[in-house]
Amino acid sequence: AQSVTQPDIHITVSEGASLELRCNYSYGATPYLFWYVQSPGQGLQLLLKYFSGDTLVQGIKGFEAEFKRSQSSFNLRKPSVHWSDAAEYFCAGVNYGGSQGNLIFGKGTKLSVKP
Amino acid sequence: DSGVTQTPKHLITATGQRVTLRCSPRSGDLSVYWYQQSLDQGLQFLIQYYNGEERAKGNILERFSAQQFPDLHSELNLSSLELGDSALYFCASSAGVSGNTIYFGEGSWLTVV
Repeated sequence: AQSVTQPDIHITVSEGASLELRCNYSYGATPYLFWYVQSPGQGLQLLLKYFSGDTLVQGIKGFEAEFKRSQSSFNLRKPSVHWSDAAEYFCAGVNYGGSQGNLIFGKGTKLSVKP
Repeated sequence: DSGVTQTPKHLITATGQRVTLRCSPRSGDLSVYWYQQSLDQGLQFLIQYYNGEERAKGNILERFSAQQFPDLHSELNLSSLELGDSALYFCASSAGVSGNTIYFGEGSWLTVV
């Protein structure tokens, strides 16, 4: 069955430190992959997406993610975290060429930022 | 601003009641999706409509129903509400039926008391 897994429920990093949030997928075919961010009390904002082509994708707010087929991973990275990055991050995937477009979400990773 | 509009933003209602949540997709998007987000279940896909027709069904209860109208806006109807239905309900839209970027609205907070 298709699935998206985020192994880390909660991560705390210091402001200015680098960040990597893990995401693993299990799909029979090449998935389209997304990262969304949800600030407290807010909706889901799209950070970046991978459809095909260059496996390193750039997103908004200085985030990037790398698609690694051999590791079934799509990890999110940021070189220097800001206090405003504290939020919950969701990795999601959808079947490429599927007959339906609904996303399968990971459980989310909550990011806390220490001053 | 994603371009997906949801109303109401907040709603408090009593058990046994019925509510309707409304969604206007991004201009030009034909697919509308509904998701439920709760603390214990996370983000759960409920249903997808594409150009007025139901396309996919997820974990949607029989007490819940949805439709997409000719102008492409969608409504999610929740009836015989229970305390456990308290959640954040998201609408999302995309251009096509699959393989497109999906944009989410701000959500409708439902509290059942």
